[in-house]
Amino acid sequence: RKEVEQDPGPFNVPEGATVAFNCTYSNSASQSFFWYRQDCRKEPKLLMSVYSSGNEDGRFTAQLNRASQYISLLIRDSKLSDSATYLCVVTPGGAQKLVFGQGTRLTINP
Amino acid sequence: EAGVTQFPSHSVIEKGQTVTLRCDPISGHDNLYWYRRVMGKEIKFLLHFVKESKQDESGMPNNRFLAERTGGTYSTLKVQPAELEDSGVYFCASSQDLLGTSGWSSYEQYFGPGTRLTVT
Repeated sequence: RKEVEQDPGPFNVPEGATVAFNCTYSNSASQSFFWYRQDCRKEPKLLMSVYSSGNEDGRFTAQLNRASQYISLLIRDSKLSDSATYLCVVTPGGAQKLVFGQGTRLTINP
Repeated sequence: EAGVTQFPSHSVIEKGQTVTLRCDPISGHDNLYWYRRVMGKEIKFLLHFVKESKQDESGMPNNRFLAERTGGTYSTLKVQPAELEDSGVYFCASSQDLLGTSGWSSYEQYFGPGTRLTVT
């Protein structure tokens, strides 16, 4: 079983739509949680950290459910520039390494 | 401020040859990480340096891979001899340490553009 599981997609949605991604992680000792964004043939870039209380950054909202070991990302009013692969990332307890999901590919259509 | 840089951007070598990848972290970042993405798979951790010391090398696949960070600045990752399954994109990342209420932890990891390695 993979440590971090994501639906690989692809998700194709029209511009302006709301889209949600989910991810589950297997290690209950995981300490930190992130969403990274990766454009085609580019490096991953941090989109946002995910906190237990949930957090919002503009059009992006992230939620963490530790009991269910589940992380979500909601994108509202999607833009063409949101097209990318979204990576769910966790850090295991006691280590600083990042553990990546396979990524969810999103395409926003005009 | 310059970001994480990696060299070369692409490398094509034959099976059995040696390749050395280089990573220059962001200046002042003590933490340096190597990751790898092979085709169709998720990005996987290889190892973590704190300054010149290997903090965690649990992800190194086998003894054909050797990572060094002499002087605690740039790092090299050597693959010798290369095998077909070593093909993929090798990313380097760096981060600074952050002193929080619960002690030192690592801040955001900034990734370099990666080295695309093809072994034929």
